[in-house]
Amino acid sequence: DIQLTQSPSSLSASLGDRVTITCQASEDIIISLNWYQQHPGKAPKLLIHDASSLETGVPSRFSGSGSGTHFSLTITSLQPEDFATYFCQQYEDVFTFGGGTKVEIK
Amino acid sequence: QVQLVQSGAEVKKPGASVKVSCKASGYDFTTYGVAWVRQAPGQGFEWMGWISPYDGATKFRQKFQGRVTLTIETSTTTAYMELRNLKSDDTAVYFCARDLDFRSDVWGQGTTVIVSS
Repeated sequence: DIQLTQSPSSLSASLGDRVTITCQASEDIIISLNWYQQHPGKAPKLLIHDASSLETGVPSRFSGSGSGTHFSLTITSLQPEDFATYFCQQYEDVFTFGGGTKVEIK
Repeated sequence: QVQLVQSGAEVKKPGASVKVSCKASGYDFTTYGVAWVRQAPGQGFEWMGWISPYDGATKFRQKFQGRVTLTIETSTTTAYMELRNLKSDDTAVYFCARDLDFRSDVWGQGTTVIVSS
């Protein structure tokens, strides 16, 4: 299976901060990558598909970039509802997920 | 609105089976696949498999092949996931998700399955 390594595993940030999360694939997945947000006890929410395409209804402060094996999710100007855990998922091969990045309030 | 509503929590003994339902509403059920994903306590997500309500085609993660059955009841727009021969490490929250073009854009609320003797 293709492994996805997210970093950092957690971070502390303040309202209004810019935050970047990275996701590294163990092999080339082209742009076959999605990003999800999950609040505790809730189902995941799709944010970004195909590495950089913003899902309908998702605020423009979220953006994704990358291709091949290196990807990133950036949140500009953190809002209260953005404190959550973020996961990447690849679909180039059998679907796998990254280990998650928890964004906490500083 | 578009939603997936899953069945309630289950407690099972090792070796038993569990069947989780996922009722879809608010969209054309046959247009989108249904993926099943689980999240063990404190763990990441694990994709289990996928089924097409259009033709019943399925795909599975190899480790679940032979132990998981995915089915569709189009008359009630409901998808089912049955997991057999349960083990303690099958304890997890099981999610169904609407899937199109390899992205899951709508998720059920999750069903907790606890396997304990």
